[in-house]
Amino acid sequence: GENVEQHPSTLSVQEGDSAVIKCTYSDSASNYFPWYKQELGKGPQLIIDIRSNVGEKKDQRIAVTLNKTAKHFSLHITETQPEDSAVYFCAAKSDDKIIFGKGTRLHILP
Amino acid sequence: DTAVSQTPKYLVTQMGNDKSIKCEQNLGHDTMYWYKQDSKKFLKIMFSYNNKELIINETVPNRFSPKSPDKAHLNLHINSLELGDSAVYFCASSRRPAGGGETQYFGPGTRLLVL
Repeated sequence: GENVEQHPSTLSVQEGDSAVIKCTYSDSASNYFPWYKQELGKGPQLIIDIRSNVGEKKDQRIAVTLNKTAKHFSLHITETQPEDSAVYFCAAKSDDKIIFGKGTRLHILP
Repeated sequence: DTAVSQTPKYLVTQMGNDKSIKCEQNLGHDTMYWYKQDSKKFLKIMFSYNNKELIINETVPNRFSPKSPDKAHLNLHINSLELGDSAVYFCASSRRPAGGGETQYFGPGTRLLVL
């Protein structure tokens, strides 16, 4: 089955700097990769996703890149703001379900 | 206008008790899920229903029994609660099964503490 590894588990960046979270997956048949943001006391919420027919997707300050050959995908947040502090999960589609990474706790430092 | 709602939000109970968590979605979705999130934030799928039929059943103790009376509801009943059941349980829904690349919408979670 699919295995999704996510790094780092914790990330602290200065406000205004960029943050990068990286994930790898094992199932070469995976073709859908969503990213979720979970704020304190709330459920995860989709922030961006990418399908295997594209290598990069951007939405304002958030971008996701996908390298199918290497089975890597990454989340990039630019010009970080205090409200970006949260736990971020990468995920990959495998067969009939979505497998989540273990999450990255992002702290934005003032 | 909550899209996916869960009750209760908090649940504190003694070991050995039986409890239920309810979930409702008003998005008109066909597929609903239960996830368990442990203290380390690891999010793991437990069950998925599509049109009231079970389509995913991970290796979950049979003390956990989901029930879907209709497409908009997926309840989770837990028998003989154990300490290790303490976690946050999230309900989610999607238009079709997530294996098709559908966005999942999560509820606010139910924080279960077994004493």
